[in-house]
Amino acid sequence: GDSVTQTEGPVTVSESESLIINCTYSATSIAYPNLFWYVRYPGEGLQLLLKVITAGQKGSSRGFEATYNKETTSFHLQKASVQESDSAVYYCALGGYNQGKLIFGQGTKLSIKP
Amino acid sequence: EAAVTQSPRNKVAVTGGKVTLSCNQTNNHNNMYWYRQDTGHGLRLIHYSYGAGSTEKGDIPDGYKASRPSQENFSLILELATPSQTSVYFCASAGTGGAYAEQFFGPGTRLTVL
Repeated sequence: GDSVTQTEGPVTVSESESLIINCTYSATSIAYPNLFWYVRYPGEGLQLLLKVITAGQKGSSRGFEATYNKETTSFHLQKASVQESDSAVYYCALGGYNQGKLIFGQGTKLSIKP
Repeated sequence: EAAVTQSPRNKVAVTGGKVTLSCNQTNNHNNMYWYRQDTGHGLRLIHYSYGAGSTEKGDIPDGYKASRPSQENFSLILELATPSQTSVYFCASAGTGGAYAEQFFGPGTRLTVL
């Protein structure tokens, strides 16, 4: 079936250190998968961080980046130097259905140590 | 900017009672979605809608009904609430039916069923 698996949280990283949150997907029923990273800050709803709809392409936003790798079925989220304001829950998601539906990973809670 | 609001933000209900969660969006989006999010799980799709008068079953519809009386409003109804429905519920909207449409999320409703 179709599914998304991401780094088990919670994850704690020191400020200015680098970050990687792993995401792998299975898209057996989707001809052309689209991949997304959403972020949820405390007390807020999810908001789109970045998306990539073409295999081999990289998306970037707010210092975060992720590359859509069709060979390894991965879409890992990386940032070179995290800030305290990056503390949030990050969700990897898979789309490509006609109805615009998304399949989400379980979420990774990130805490930044000052 | 898309605005999706949910009410109530917190709700405590009794087993067997009826619960209605409301969602309103002001961006004239056609598609709306209801998800639940539980620890260790990603967001799971309960019901969705393509427009006023339409509702469709998502991946976990059992125990839930949905109503879309207008373009702006989409409700999730628990006719006979059970403790297993204790969760955080998110509403989302999207502007097109295509796979690339960004979903805009509300802040979530925390429901506790005692």
